[in-house]
Amino acid sequence: AQSVTQPDIHITVSEGASLELRCNYSYGATPYLFWYVQSPGQGLQLLLKYFSGDTLVQGIKGFEAEFKRSQSSFNLRKPSVHWSDAAEYFCAVAPRGGSYIPTFGRGTSLIVHP
Amino acid sequence: EPEVTQTPSHQVTQMGQEVILRCVPISNHLYFYWYRQILGQKVEFLVSFYNNEISEKSEIFDDQFSVERPDGSNFTLKIRSTKLEDSAMYFCASSEALSGGAGETQYFGPGTRLLVL
Repeated sequence: AQSVTQPDIHITVSEGASLELRCNYSYGATPYLFWYVQSPGQGLQLLLKYFSGDTLVQGIKGFEAEFKRSQSSFNLRKPSVHWSDAAEYFCAVAPRGGSYIPTFGRGTSLIVHP
Repeated sequence: EPEVTQTPSHQVTQMGQEVILRCVPISNHLYFYWYRQILGQKVEFLVSFYNNEISEKSEIFDDQFSVERPDGSNFTLKIRSTKLEDSAMYFCASSEALSGGAGETQYFGPGTRLLVL
């Protein structure tokens, strides 16, 4: 069965600092990979996705993620964090073919200090 | 930008009561989903719906749950007799038809927070 691990429950950074949120997956083949953000009181918003091709994926709000097959990882990065980035971040994987139903990680809560 | 909407945003109900959660998916989308997120836990898949029938469901989606697309715009989740453990945030999502094996992206609504007392 596929699984997604986000090892950090909380991450605290200062505004303007760089950010990396970790995501590792366990799956038989390379799945589709997603990062979602959930702001307080809001739904899940898609930040970026990896289907194929360039392993460095650019998303909205200045985020990027890099797929590393050898490490089964899809870490999310941002060079300079803004206070409005404080939110819950979810990594998700979905199988290629079939239903594409995603499996979500437990989420990482990002706290931004001024 | 089109978005998925859900009503109500919050609902409080007594154990054993029926609740209906409503969703309006993005208008040209054909696949619809319900997920739930118990406080502090993962987002979990409940059910997917296509062409007026359930295409996939998880083991969470037992006989207490049902889904319906009563008209051309709404997609509903009904819980017949709520239990305390049904308290969660329920998310609706929709996606375009699958195309060429390129995968699909699901767009999520803001959620309905259900509290069962």
